[in-house]
Amino acid sequence: EADIYQTPRYLVIGTGKKITLECSQTMGHDKMYWYQQDPGMELHLIHYSYGVNSTEKGDLSSESTVSRIRTEHFPLTLESARPSHTSQYLCASRSERGTGGLTEAFFGQGTRLTVV
Amino acid sequence: AQSVAQPEDQVNVAEGNPLTVKCTYSVSGNPYLFWYVQYPNRGLQFLLKYITGDNLVKGSYGFEAEFNKSQTSFHLKKPSALVSDSALYFCAVRDQPRRTPLVFGKGTRLSVIA
Repeated sequence: EADIYQTPRYLVIGTGKKITLECSQTMGHDKMYWYQQDPGMELHLIHYSYGVNSTEKGDLSSESTVSRIRTEHFPLTLESARPSHTSQYLCASRSERGTGGLTEAFFGQGTRLTVV
Repeated sequence: AQSVAQPEDQVNVAEGNPLTVKCTYSVSGNPYLFWYVQYPNRGLQFLLKYITGDNLVKGSYGFEAEFNKSQTSFHLKKPSALVSDSALYFCAVRDQPRRTPLVFGKGTRLSVIA
């Protein structure tokens, strides 16, 4: 069982609200990722981090921002939520230290966000 | 750039029959290949991976995958499907040794019918 946690699991929020989706892992992994999953299933990488104070934008343009102040924590923030942000958000982590990139990623259970 | 294709949105199989979920990839170097499964309202769970070595990789829940370099494929297989195998399946690739995140295919929905 992977030790990576996302909160909340479900969130319904009004347009214009600021929200933060939490992601924490207790495995000491250096790399962390945020994916947005369409209702039709496809996964899109929106942010990733290679370690503390490192963040990068992914393939899909996103109005969200992330921070990585601590190794175990990688929150995602939407300053002003819109209905187009309605989606499932998946957080993942993996460790590359000493493995040359051979390890798989572990995923949290996801946050299903609905903006009304 | 690396990419993954899962040509089938949906695969239907009768319980007890063999199943195959197809995946092809494109990378500039040697690939790291992964299969993940997603059950309803859950995150992705790792099934198996190919890094190097034997082309046939065995993973969790009786699944296996065959790496074919000439066809750039990594199809997921199981000899005898169970109803509980019904889920979304994602193939993913990383281009080693570059520091690139996993790239996922669009996913294939597997339905196993009793």
